[in-house]
Amino acid sequence: EAGVAQSPRYKIIEKRQSVAFWCNPISGHATLYWYQQILGQGPKLLIQFQNNGVVDDSQLPKDRFSAERLKGVDSTLKIQPAKLEDSAVYLCASSLVPQGAGANYGYTFGSGTRLTVV
Amino acid sequence: TQLLEQSPQFLSIQEGENLTVYCNSSSVFSSLQWYRQEPGEGPVLLVTVVTGGEVKKLKRLTFQFGDARKDSSLHITAAQPGDTGLYLCAGPKGGKLIFGQGTELSVKP
Repeated sequence: EAGVAQSPRYKIIEKRQSVAFWCNPISGHATLYWYQQILGQGPKLLIQFQNNGVVDDSQLPKDRFSAERLKGVDSTLKIQPAKLEDSAVYLCASSLVPQGAGANYGYTFGSGTRLTVV
Repeated sequence: TQLLEQSPQFLSIQEGENLTVYCNSSSVFSSLQWYRQEPGEGPVLLVTVVTGGEVKKLKRLTFQFGDARKDSSLHITAAQPGDTGLYLCAGPKGGKLIFGQGTELSVKP
């Protein structure tokens, strides 16, 4: 089966500019996640979708970050305006069922988008 | 503070050596997962441990879940350069997957 697709792979922007990342999850995976991974750290959840609804966005800096999954398949994550501290790898992942739903399915991650804000 | 604490954070060893990576928490988890992440790629799931005291083997990798389900370990026997990468433990909490900060392993030939 095809994996989780993300684009672009790399992006360099100046601070205060805007940027958008795209993710296409594995077909049939209802749950989609965006994680931020700063160099040397583990991934931190930004937002979780179940189909096209937001389940958890408690860690999303909503003053500058937004995400949508309009048709319950593809998703985009946007940053506007970007700050230097947003430099990180943005990972998209999908799973068949949400964690904590009584199942222990792992996530399938995309290769990520490495963002550098200068 | 991290809910899942991994140690060591960095490990550099020679090919053929054995190593153990630890993942500890003060909270009980229903399960713990281990991922490996290579540079420029996303994490890839290695194993899920579910039962307290469970031991799972994946070739030269041995994973153990603590009896109290608060900790886990990953042991690699006769490490090879191909084992180089970031090893992450993760567990479900509040309906989402929480990650440790990772252990960066470098195996030199």
